[in-house]
Amino acid sequence: SQTIHQWPATLVQPVGSPLSLECTVEGTSNPNLYWYRQAAGRGLQLLFYSVGIGQISSEVPQNLSASRPQDRQFILSSKKLLLSDSGFYLCAHNGQTGNTIYFGEGSWLTVV
Amino acid sequence: GESVGLHLPTLSVQEGDNSIINCAYSNSASDYFIWYKQESGKGPQFIIDIRSNMDKRQGQRVTVLLNKTVKHLSLQIAATQPGDSAVYFCAEVNSGTYKYIFGTGTRLKVLA
Repeated sequence: SQTIHQWPATLVQPVGSPLSLECTVEGTSNPNLYWYRQAAGRGLQLLFYSVGIGQISSEVPQNLSASRPQDRQFILSSKKLLLSDSGFYLCAHNGQTGNTIYFGEGSWLTVV
Repeated sequence: GESVGLHLPTLSVQEGDNSIINCAYSNSASDYFIWYKQESGKGPQFIIDIRSNMDKRQGQRVTVLLNKTVKHLSLQIAATQPGDSAVYFCAEVNSGTYKYIFGTGTRLKVLA
């Protein structure tokens, strides 16, 4: 079966500090991978998606970047965090069928 | 497009009643639609999906209706239970792009 792991689960970082959130998927190969952000009590915003190693599509110009160094690894980064980067970050993959995406448990980021 | 930055609308339903959650999607080229349930502090979970060549699909206690003419999707939950309390999101995708766009989300509150 396919599983998706995200870490860390919670993170409190000062403004201007770097960020690295990691996501790995098991039980599938060559998945499409996604990063979404959700502000408290709000909807899901697509940040990045990747259809293969080294292939990253950015949906919203911002202070964040993504990388896919391995087939089942997706990393969300920032060199200098802003207060507005606070939120709930969700990684997702499209599994074996490719029709539905499945989410990880999310990473809470608070920038102070 | 993406409905981000909007506070979630709330639907309050008496336990045992039926719930209807609505969603308007934006892209007429979308050919696959999914409903997700998100409990507090967790990632969204798949509920039910429907392809654009269908107008209705039923699952266990849930039914999804699709009206492509007006680009409207609805989720019906029969005999709503306290465990149904959550935020519900619809997602649309053009399967040629694998880019999943989420609606605003609706918070469902089940009243005892």
